[in-house]
Amino acid sequence: ETGVTQTPRHLVMGMTNKKSLKCEQHLGHNAMYWYKQSAKKPLELMFVYSLEERVENNSVPSRFSPECPNSSHLFLHLHTLQPEDSALYLCASSQEVNANTGELFFGEGSRLTVL
Amino acid sequence: GDSVTQMEGPVTLSEEAFLTINCTYTATGYPSLFWYVQYPGEGLQLLLKATKADDKGSNKGFEATYRKETTSFHLEKGSVQVSDSAVYFCALWDFASKLTFGTGTRLQVTL
Repeated sequence: ETGVTQTPRHLVMGMTNKKSLKCEQHLGHNAMYWYKQSAKKPLELMFVYSLEERVENNSVPSRFSPECPNSSHLFLHLHTLQPEDSALYLCASSQEVNANTGELFFGEGSRLTVL
Repeated sequence: GDSVTQMEGPVTLSEEAFLTINCTYTATGYPSLFWYVQYPGEGLQLLLKATKADDKGSNKGFEATYRKETTSFHLEKGSVQVSDSAVYFCALWDFASKLTFGTGTRLQVTL
């Protein structure tokens, strides 16, 4: 396995369900990110982790709960979502959060549909 | 705060046509600038970058020049191919270690 892998690729859930998105990076990076991609909007940075510590949380509703058990894995736990949360959720990694390159490596995304 | 503005798409071109996708930015200081590309069903991947004024980034026949005077970083390609069909994102990185993306521009290339 190489790069950044996300599972599941597609997820349909009701508003009362609890589900989780998983991300794994095989690049030896120390920083991991969750982004939300919605149509006609800029990518929205949700969470940033550096060496398993959360370093940024951009006013994301509490129905989204991240978890980073180690520097290779990142989860996004979903609970009581709203239809407007339907989007493509992208995981990314970089060598360091403060690396002066701005280069992120993205997974293919998890397409979430909330009914 | 920082922001990136891209032209709205979709952009539809015939194969071998010339491509320009406009990008302008607002930032304090001197950010680094990037173009990312997202092919259908895939995540974003870095296409090219420029780290200072007048730098030209290039890759796979695409080019973009960092223009500080016009705060622009337009993406160009002399002859597009069907395989270039994708969504293109302009982005900037500032020294607060934050990568700010534009809305993306979809390019559709037809035979």
